[in-house]
Parts: sequence; C-alpha cells; structure tokens
Amino acid sequence: GEDVEQSLFLSVREGDSSVINCTYTDSSSTYLYWYKQEPGAGLQLLTYIFSNMDMKQDQRLTVLLNKKDKHLSLRIADTQTGDSAIYFCAETFGGSYIPTFGRGTSLIVHP
Amino acid sequence: DAGVTQSPTHLIKTRGQQVTLRCSPKSGHDTVSWYQQALGQGPQFIFQYYEEEERQRGNFPDRFSGHQFPNYSSELNVNALLLGDSALYLCASSRQGRNTEAFFGQGTRLTVV
Repeated sequence: GEDVEQSLFLSVREGDSSVINCTYTDSSSTYLYWYKQEPGAGLQLLTYIFSNMDMKQDQRLTVLLNKKDKHLSLRIADTQTGDSAIYFCAETFGGSYIPTFGRGTSLIVHP
Repeated sequence: DAGVTQSPTHLIKTRGQQVTLRCSPKSGHDTVSWYQQALGQGPQFIFQYYEEEERQRGNFPDRFSGHQFPNYSSELNVNALLLGDSALYLCASSRQGRNTEAFFGQGTRLTVV
C-alpha cells in the first residue's frame, strides 16, 4: 500500500545545513515532492523530482533520491530562521497526480 | 495574480450542521482538489474536480460532496458534521496535464463543537 514516512522533528543551528529525510513504500512512484507549510498557512511547493532522476538542485535546496532504498532527502544549505516550518514529503503513482503526503517534519532553526 | 483563495478562513460549527467551503483557483488553472489536514497530520485527499465533474475521490464518506462551477471555482460541502471533521481544509489548483505543479490556498480552519 501507499505509505510515506518522515521523522517528526529536526533542530538545527542557523547557518548549518539541514537534511530532512523521507521513505516511501511504492516502487511505482512517478514524482516525489517537497512542500513547506508555515504556521497558519497552506502548503508551498518547494521542488519535485521525477522518479527517473537521482538528484535535483535549486539554489539552496538539493533533493536526493535513492530508488533502491526508496529514500528521498531534502538538503537546505545555510539554513535561516525563515526556513522554520513543517516540511512534507509526498509522492504520486502511475498516471495519478494526487500526491500522498507524509506527516511532515517540523524544522526548528535556532540562532 | 491572487493565487488560490479560500473562504472563509475560520469557522465554528455545531455537530450535525452542514458547512460549505469555497475555493477560487489560480488564474489559468482548471482543476481543483480538496484536502483535509487534521492537526499534526499530512493532508488527506478528498476529491478532485475538472470540467465540473468529480474525477477522483479519496477515502471519504458521502457526507463530503463538492461542486465545480463554469469559472473553475469550487465548493466543498460537508453534511452532518462530526467532531472528527475538525481540521484545516485545503484547496489546490492545477492545470490538466500540468498537475505536477499544484498550488495550495491558505486553507479554511473548521472547528466542530
């Protein structure tokens, strides 16, 4: 069945790199996504990666995909206090573009 | 471009009542999806509308229904509210064929008492 798992919390110091991890169970995943949710707000699409890729970089964000281990990670370089939020990993399957979300990782950035 | 807008932002209802939530998609988008996000959880897919028809549905009871209008805006209706329906309801819009890039609204916080 479909299942996306994430650790619930991550605490980092400002200026350090953050790495948020996600595992998924369905090998037929088509796209994998990272969304950001700030307090009281909706979800903001940060980036996504097609399942036949293993890396995507976009400014401070680096997404790594290990298909063998069904593991996805999001690295945020030079983490800032404004990066404090909940980060959701999500996947879609086959021809469906309905993402299945994990429970989210709460990133806390402290000075 | 106002992006995806939802109304109201908050509301409180009593068990057994009915509620209607509204969503206006981002300009140029024709597909609207609705999600329920309980506290501490990720969003759960309710259903998706395209060309004024429900195209896909998640694991939600018939108490949850929707509608899409010719201008692509959408409504989510929930009947016979339960305490467990308390959640943040999110609307996402996209373009058919470009559904990889869905944009979310700020959500409607529904509290059932």
